[in-house]
Amino acid sequence: KAGVTQTPRYLIKTRGQQVTLSCSPISGHRSVSWYQQTPGQGLQFLFEYFSETQRNKGNFPGRFSGRQFSNSRSEMNVSTLELGDSALYLCASTASPGNTIYFGEGSWLTVV
Amino acid sequence: QKEVEQDPGPLSVPEGAIVSLNCTYSNSAFQYFMWYRQYSRKGPELLMYTYSSGNKEDGRFTAQVDKSSKYISLFIRDSQPSDSATYLCAMSANNNDMRFGAGTRLTVKP
Repeated sequence: KAGVTQTPRYLIKTRGQQVTLSCSPISGHRSVSWYQQTPGQGLQFLFEYFSETQRNKGNFPGRFSGRQFSNSRSEMNVSTLELGDSALYLCASTASPGNTIYFGEGSWLTVV
Repeated sequence: QKEVEQDPGPLSVPEGAIVSLNCTYSNSAFQYFMWYRQYSRKGPELLMYTYSSGNKEDGRFTAQVDKSSKYISLFIRDSQPSDSATYLCAMSANNNDMRFGAGTRLTVKP
């Protein structure tokens, strides 16, 4: 069974630009959550989607947004990129809220 | 004070040693506890999943949860160089919106 797939794996953006990251959950999983990982802050929760609805949101500015499609695939968008947005963005999926979550390999974003 | 405290290490041990990794937390509502292993430039991989207090064993790995002390541990027996990675503890009240420790970087030397 294929794992969580994230694209792109690596990308470099310039300050002020926007970026969209994509996540395909494990087949059959309907809940997708996003995390930001940095050396200084560790893993921080961004948001969670279930059946196309945002269920939870972490403490991030409105520049960070996401959505989930009817096939459970999810995207997250960061607008007006700042240098501090450089991080590993991880997507995780679970069959339904309350079950074990599984992470993808992540998307490495560098903002220059 | 952070909700979850984990010593970032680094921790270096010889091959075959018993490794003890620990996290403390402040939120008494946490009841789901997990340990993830993360290799360099990879996503976290679930190692152990525990609900409430008690012990859980899986091969060379043992997870312990002491809710009265708000303290969780992961023990690795007969450590191998392939165990060299960053170990993250994670916990949540409802199995969503997990809170992670900073991660402990472990090196097992041959």
